[in-house]
Amino acid sequence: DAGITQSPRHKVTETGTPVTLRCHQTENHRYMYWYRQDPGHGLRLIHYSYGVKDTDKGEVSDGYSVSRSKTEDFLLTLESATSSQTSVYFCAISEGGTPPVYGYTFGSGTRLTVV
Amino acid sequence: DAKTTQPNSMESNEEEPVHLPCNHSTISGTDYIHWYRQLPSQGPEYVIHGLTSNVNNRMASLAIAEDRKSSTLILHRATLRDAAVYYCILRNSGGSNYKLTFGKGTLLTVNP
Repeated sequence: DAGITQSPRHKVTETGTPVTLRCHQTENHRYMYWYRQDPGHGLRLIHYSYGVKDTDKGEVSDGYSVSRSKTEDFLLTLESATSSQTSVYFCAISEGGTPPVYGYTFGSGTRLTVV
Repeated sequence: DAKTTQPNSMESNEEEPVHLPCNHSTISGTDYIHWYRQLPSQGPEYVIHGLTSNVNNRMASLAIAEDRKSSTLILHRATLRDAAVYYCILRNSGGSNYKLTFGKGTLLTVNP
């Protein structure tokens, strides 16, 4: 989707190295999310942000940190990559609000391989 | 969070209608029913949502049972491009409704 881009699209890294994935949006949406998708587990929420400098943990946050210094950018950092973090990572954005009548828009994903 | 139950997989033929069921027997009055789909090697995409009434958009129709304990996503004429995993998700009007929780979904295969 043109309103959200993830970089890089593919990355191979070595165990123990730090890795940062970037999500950039042009929609000015308040909420941003990082998910990972693994066979047998489906999509699981890692971290999310509900505003600049406002972030919170999802269900699988161990080993990950995030930062959001601008509305348009949400960074996911693996401080010391492990093989268990080999996965496809998806960023998503939403307007939020109550009631939840707005859909999420997902990026195309980043395929990360930790060797 | 209220749970949804979907068949693991379904098969259809091209140009025929497809009815994808979802059970949500513990749905609350403030839960919205959302559907997403994920095509191979892509991120999920929003399809449709509804609360009580049936809904139509350019992609699909959503039929909601009168007691709201089940719903059906209807693809009127399946194409090969509709082959995907379809997720039925409940989102509440309050609390942490901004977080989307995915289940396993239904893998739809479309035969030419």
